[in-house]
Parts: sequence; C-alpha cells; structure tokens
Amino acid sequence: NAGVTQTPKFQVLKTGQSMTLQCAQDMNHNSMYWYRQDPGMGLRLIYYSASEGTTDKGEVPNGYNVSRLNKREFSLRLESAAPSQTSVYFCASIPQGIPQPQHFGDGTRLSIL
Amino acid sequence: AQTVTQSQPEMSVQEAETVTLSCTYDTSENNYYLFWYKQPPSRQMILVIRQEAYKQQNATENRFSVNFQKAAKSFSLKISDSQLGDTAMYFCAFMKHGGIDKLTFGTGTLLAVQP
Repeated sequence: NAGVTQTPKFQVLKTGQSMTLQCAQDMNHNSMYWYRQDPGMGLRLIYYSASEGTTDKGEVPNGYNVSRLNKREFSLRLESAAPSQTSVYFCASIPQGIPQPQHFGDGTRLSIL
Repeated sequence: AQTVTQSQPEMSVQEAETVTLSCTYDTSENNYYLFWYKQPPSRQMILVIRQEAYKQQNATENRFSVNFQKAAKSFSLKISDSQLGDTAMYFCAFMKHGGIDKLTFGTGTLLAVQP
C-alpha cells in the first residue's frame, strides 16, 4: 500500500519547456490537491479536485493546469515553465466525509533555469 | 479567508528539554480543525497532532501536546523530552469544517534539537 505516489522526485527544466507532474493514490480517496512549497511561504494550494471529473483553482493557479484522469490520478502540468515556478510540489489526498488529515506524497523538487 | 501565522522562523532546544512552537490564526469560522505537520529533511509531510475546534480538551500524542485557545485563536505545540529526531520544519495548518477540506498553512518554524 503505497499511499500517495508522486513522479518524478526531481526535475530540471529550461524556461519555456513543458512538464507534467504525476500523482496517484491507492487509498480510494475522493479529493486530491496540488500544493507548492517555497522558502518562507509554507505550502500554498495550486489546484484541487473534490471528486473525479471536477477541478478547481486554489490560491496560486496561474501558469498551471490539472487533470483528474480518474479517481486515482491527478496530474499537474506546466505548459511553459518559468523560473518563478521553481519550487517543491506536493500532491495530497483525503477521503470524503468526516474531515481528516491529508495524506501527502513525498514531493517533487522542480528547478527551472 | 483564513490566515495562519507562525512568528518564530527558527528555534533551538537542547536534547531532553521542552520547547513550545507558536501558531496563531484568523478566521470567522466557528467549526474548524487545526493541525501540526512535521517536515524532516527527507521532505515528507508527517502529521504530528490534530485538534477539533469544538473540543475544549487539548490534544495529546505521546510527547506532543497542544495548547488550544479558541478565543485567542492560538494553537501552540509543546514538545517534551526533545529528541534529535524531532529536528525538522514544523507547520501549523487550518482546515475549515465542510467545504473542500483544503489546508491553509503557516510559514513554518525550523526546530533544531541540539545534542
């Protein structure tokens, strides 16, 4: 039982390149989230998906797109990477119903040159 | 919108001593949840402790306990008998009851446990 799995763990891109970060959970959770973590700013929500087939913007959605491919998978895409998107990206999931702590993946460190 | 403030960017404590990390928050909600997450150098986000706002009793998990003051909107974390493995970044987080269950995080406190 892997929980929340993110791939890749590390990636270096050049400005203007595109990239998709993958996230999959095997806990049958309904809701999934993408956060970014920057020094001195904590984690900020980029996009979330309350259920399969739905996605909504979070606090910092500009420059990103998401796809909730099925209940297990929620991907984050950078269409044209910019240096300001250098960050650590976390995917998280939570079952629906009684609020519970989110389960986090191990993060993806993304550097854009 | 909710905000979470951690006013201590860095703290240090001697092994076996007790340390308290501060967190304040601002919300107009009455029903919500508060969490402390630990992020060691491995980068994992590990839940340390949670508190439901409707519960007056402070949550406790082994060496970790909270002081939840709802009226003051304060949620501090006390670590007793600090261990070297407690060295990590600690984040305070807020979740509104109902809605989309998203977390609002503070900026974190980097705790160093000294031998």
